[in-house]
Amino acid sequence: NAGVTQTPKFRILKIGQSMTLQCTQDMNHNYMYWYRQDPGMGLKLIYYSVGAGITDKGEVPNGYNVSRSTTEDFPLRLELAAPSQTSVYFCASSFLGRTTITDTQYFGPGTRLTVL
Amino acid sequence: KNEVEQSPQNLTAQEGEFITINCSYSVGISALHWLQQHPGGGIVSLFMLSSGKKKHGRLIATINIQEKHSSLHITASHPRDSAVYICAAAPRGGATNKLIFGTGTLLAVQP
Repeated sequence: NAGVTQTPKFRILKIGQSMTLQCTQDMNHNYMYWYRQDPGMGLKLIYYSVGAGITDKGEVPNGYNVSRSTTEDFPLRLELAAPSQTSVYFCASSFLGRTTITDTQYFGPGTRLTVL
Repeated sequence: KNEVEQSPQNLTAQEGEFITINCSYSVGISALHWLQQHPGGGIVSLFMLSSGKKKHGRLIATINIQEKHSSLHITASHPRDSAVYICAAAPRGGATNKLIFGTGTLLAVQP
């Protein structure tokens, strides 16, 4: 299993440009998450999904959009990039059963994004 | 005040030393996670615990639910243990595995 994969690893955007960060998992996990990590700050949840076709906002969703058309893929879309979106982005996935409240999250390697 | 706080923020140790990293949280939890972020950036889960103690190799995690406190111990530390260690709380009542993360403890183990 490849686990959770993310592309690209690095990207530089100009202000106002758009891009999609790709995330794929091959563990048949139902839950997927997008986080951003800023220096000196804890991971912040941007969006999450509890299954194909179902997404919801996290703590810091402004400026981002997501979709979950398949179990495996959970792309994160940045529209009109701003310098405040310079960060490291992590995708993660986990499997929660009907009575499971929390379980291990498996993280991708991250995407380092700079907006200039 | 953050809901999950870690101490110390930075820690330098000599190889072989016993290391303790602390995590305090202010919310009711169903479990507490410990994660390790490698210098290259990758994040891996080390432990998930809701009571007592767990051990994996030289790593030991403990939790005191009444005191809302958890510790991560590393015995016989080695330079390869150098990393950022992150604790994260899974709030009680949540059903989506949304975690509240601490800001991490940067550990450097010198040979």
